Amino acid sequence: GENVEQHPSTLSVQEGDSAVIKCTYSDSASNYFPWYKQELGKRPQLIIDIRSNVGEKKDQRIAVTLNKTAKHFSLHITETQPEDSAVYFCAASYTGGFKTIFGAGTRLFVKA
Amino acid sequence: GAGVSQSPRYKVAKRGQDVALRCDPISGHVSLFWYQQALGQGPEFLTYFQNEAQLDKSGLPSDRFFAERPEGSVSTLKIQRTQQEDSAVYLCASSWMNTDTQYFGPGTRLTVL
Repeated sequence: GENVEQHPSTLSVQEGDSAVIKCTYSDSASNYFPWYKQELGKRPQLIIDIRSNVGEKKDQRIAVTLNKTAKHFSLHITETQPEDSAVYFCAASYTGGFKTIFGAGTRLFVKA
Repeated sequence: GAGVSQSPRYKVAKRGQDVALRCDPISGHVSLFWYQQALGQGPEFLTYFQNEAQLDKSGLPSDRFFAERPEGSVSTLKIQRTQQEDSAVYLCASSWMNTDTQYFGPGTRLTVL
C-alpha cells in the first residue's frame, strides 16, 4: 500500500544552523506534497507545499525540493530559530485519489 | 472567519461505550478528512468526504468506526463499543479540494479506560 517514510525522527541543531528533513513516498501517482508543523498540544499547520510540476519552492527561510524520479522530497529550514522547534510532518496525496498519507514526523529541537 | 472546530476536546469513555465526535469544517470547504493520531505518530488517514459523499473509508480500522456528513458540512465520527486501542487524538481537517491545503481542527483526545 501507500507509504511515506520520514527521516530523521529527531533532529537537534544550534540556532542559526540549517535543518533538513527527508521523505520518500511509494505511490508514483502522488503529485501533491505538503509539509505541516505541529507544536506540542496544537493542531498541524501547513508551512509549505509543492506540486509535482515543480522541483523546488521557497518561502523565506523554508524551502522544499522534489525528486520525482527518486520519489523523495525534502524540507530545508535555514537560519533556524528556537520557535522553529516543533514536530514536522511530510505528506503525499494525488489528484483523483482521496487519501493523504503522512510521515511519522521529525521532532526538531533548535538550541539557543 | 472561524477555523475548523471539533467537539468535545476531551472524551473519556469506559470500554464498551459508544462515542460521537463532531467536526465543524470551514464554511464552503468541499473536502473533509478524519485522521487518527497516536502519541508520537503522524496523522493516520481514516476517511474522506467530498460534500456529503464518503468517497474513501479505507482507513477506518474496523466496522466499529462510522462517519457521516449528511448535509455536506458538519461531520460526525462514531465509534461503537470502544476499546483501549481506540485511545488517540482524532483530527478533522477540511479543504477546498483533496489536493489542497488542509486546515486542521484542534482534535478530540479520546481516552478509553
